[in-house]
Amino acid sequence: DAGITQSPRHKVTETGTPVTLRCHQTENHRYMYWYRQDPGHGLRLIHYSYGVKDTDKGEVSDGYSVSRSKTEDFLLTLESATSSQTSVYFCAITQTGGTEAFFGQGTRLTVV
Amino acid sequence: GENVEQHPSTLSVQEGDSAVIKCTYSDSASNYFPWYKQELGKGPQLIIDIRSNVGEKKDQRIAVTLNKTAKHFSLHITETQPEDSAVYFCAASTGQGAQKLVFGQGTRLTINP
Repeated sequence: DAGITQSPRHKVTETGTPVTLRCHQTENHRYMYWYRQDPGHGLRLIHYSYGVKDTDKGEVSDGYSVSRSKTEDFLLTLESATSSQTSVYFCAITQTGGTEAFFGQGTRLTVV
Repeated sequence: GENVEQHPSTLSVQEGDSAVIKCTYSDSASNYFPWYKQELGKGPQLIIDIRSNVGEKKDQRIAVTLNKTAKHFSLHITETQPEDSAVYFCAASTGQGAQKLVFGQGTRLTINP
């Protein structure tokens, strides 16, 4: 699992509430990513980070924000959760100069 | 931006037969094409990848072919086994710096004993 831990693994929340998902890595990799997985869409990139405090938007960034204050942690925040954000969220890392992406176990988020 | 289409969405084959999954991409700047296998309840795991300067790559029972002109690439699994049953995803990226992967929709492969 390349030392990636996602938390929580499962969460149910109400519409309109803020939610933060955490991705923690133990191997000092430079690049970290958040993807969401939905049936019929594969995985889609939400945001990514290329260093501490360095982040950028992906394909489906609306309604999400991220922060990376330490190399090992990459946080994904839904400021006001909506039912369309019900999904499985995956964190991934790639090594500097490498191409292989390693994925975490995923967080299943349900917004009711 | 890049768009990756994957077919078929489901595939059922007899154990021992071959399975082929196909993907097309739209951005000619893409030069890195990985394939991921996802088992139930787990994150995707890389099984094989290919760069645009190579036409074919093989690893035991798994092979990937790439046609840059036609912008399509395929995954071939030979002598399929029950443990090959999973969801498979193709993806594409420019392969530089941050790996901003664009994924296909996935193929659920079932191996029938």
